[in-house]
Amino acid sequence: EVQLVESGGGLVQPGESLRLSCAASGFIFSSSSMNWLRQTPEKGLEWISYISSGSSTKNYADSVKGRFTTSRDNAKNSLYLQMDSLRAEDTAVYFCAREEGKDGYNYVAHWGQGVLVTVSS
Amino acid sequence: VLTQSPATLSLSPGERATLSCRASQNVRSHLAWHQQKPGQAPRLLIYGVSTRATGVPARFSGSGSGTDFTLIISSLQSEDFAVYYCQQYSYAPDTFGQGTKLEIK
Repeated sequence: EVQLVESGGGLVQPGESLRLSCAASGFIFSSSSMNWLRQTPEKGLEWISYISSGSSTKNYADSVKGRFTTSRDNAKNSLYLQMDSLRAEDTAVYFCAREEGKDGYNYVAHWGQGVLVTVSS
Repeated sequence: VLTQSPATLSLSPGERATLSCRASQNVRSHLAWHQQKPGQAPRLLIYGVSTRATGVPARFSGSGSGTDFTLIISSLQSEDFAVYYCQQYSYAPDTFGQGTKLEIK
């Protein structure tokens, strides 16, 4: 069974940093591309970053580009999201997600349970 | 942009639910549906417009092509009352509709 468990969320002040982790199990992590998404009542579900299985390709939404960095450790079956210069609008539930698909068209196949990040003074 | 309708659908158990998702441009067959219950993560139901994910009951079916898509739940069970999101993965970045809340009438 695929399991994705996020951790590291919490309350931070604007301008501060936070690092989210996602522990993966139940599948061959080193062969899987992974994503981070977030959800707010105002904007709904938003994709924010992608990392290929070997970390050679990383993509970011414009809303987080230059502030967030995604990485992974395939030896530890773990995915990370380093969030710097946090803003109030980054307040959201953050999900790590495994994608599946073919021919370069991949959908979100498995979601973690989510972790809440609150940015407030 | 994906536009889902209606925003809220009130039905009774046993009834048929029809949820719509309209794309602002042609996404071909690259459309998925996800179900989210309160306090839980979303769960993939359907991908490729009409292929059910592992373990998804046959009462869930998807159809459509291009810009207009439909999710049908043939006979609502109590566990089906949730929020449903469509996702397009034809164009980067992936985007989601705003959701349809399926509530008990």
